Amino acid sequence: DAEITQSPRHKITETGRQVTLACHQTWNHNNMFWYRQDLGHGLRLIHYSYGVQDTNKGEVSDGYSVSRSNTEDLPLTLESAASSQTSVYFCASSEGWSEAFFGQGTRLTVV
Amino acid sequence: QQQVKQSPQSLIVQKGGISIINCAYENTAFDYFPWYQQFPGKGPALLIAIRPDVSEKKEGRFTISFNKSAKQFSLHIMDSQPGDSATYFCAATNTPPESYQLTFGKGTKLSVIP
Repeated sequence: DAEITQSPRHKITETGRQVTLACHQTWNHNNMFWYRQDLGHGLRLIHYSYGVQDTNKGEVSDGYSVSRSNTEDLPLTLESAASSQTSVYFCASSEGWSEAFFGQGTRLTVV
Repeated sequence: QQQVKQSPQSLIVQKGGISIINCAYENTAFDYFPWYQQFPGKGPALLIAIRPDVSEKKEGRFTISFNKSAKQFSLHIMDSQPGDSATYFCAATNTPPESYQLTFGKGTKLSVIP
């Protein structure tokens, strides 16, 4: 069965370190998204991609970057982790107007 | 910033009761309104969705009511069950080509008590 997987599921890192969160989907979807989820803020869009080599900034993109070298993967990089980036991160994929499928999430703690 | 406002933030309902969650939007270009359900430790999953050409859509115990003139839509859960306890997010997007981003409400934590 097709799926979308995130790794790691949990990570603790130190302030200032570079961190990369992985997202891999086997749906062959063109659209991929990264969200962060925080209490009181719901799901906020960080970056998104509509295809290979396409990346776009979302609502809360400062301090984050993505790259899309193939259809299946959209890694999210925190250039220099900050405590404000402690959050649960979700990756999602979709094709056109079809349902968006979400991964299980990565809980990131920056200490 | 495009916004979707969701209320209430939390909701407690007795088993068998009706759960109602409301959302309001500002951008009149929005024309697709899904609801996502999220259980603890899981990613959100699509529950039901509506387009503004209809005023209501029903799937089992879940109904979306849509009021285009008021720019409001709501989720009704009939005969609420403890298994419905989850966080619910309304969302919206518009359909020009190349625009598939979802704008989410802040979520409603529903607790259904026996």
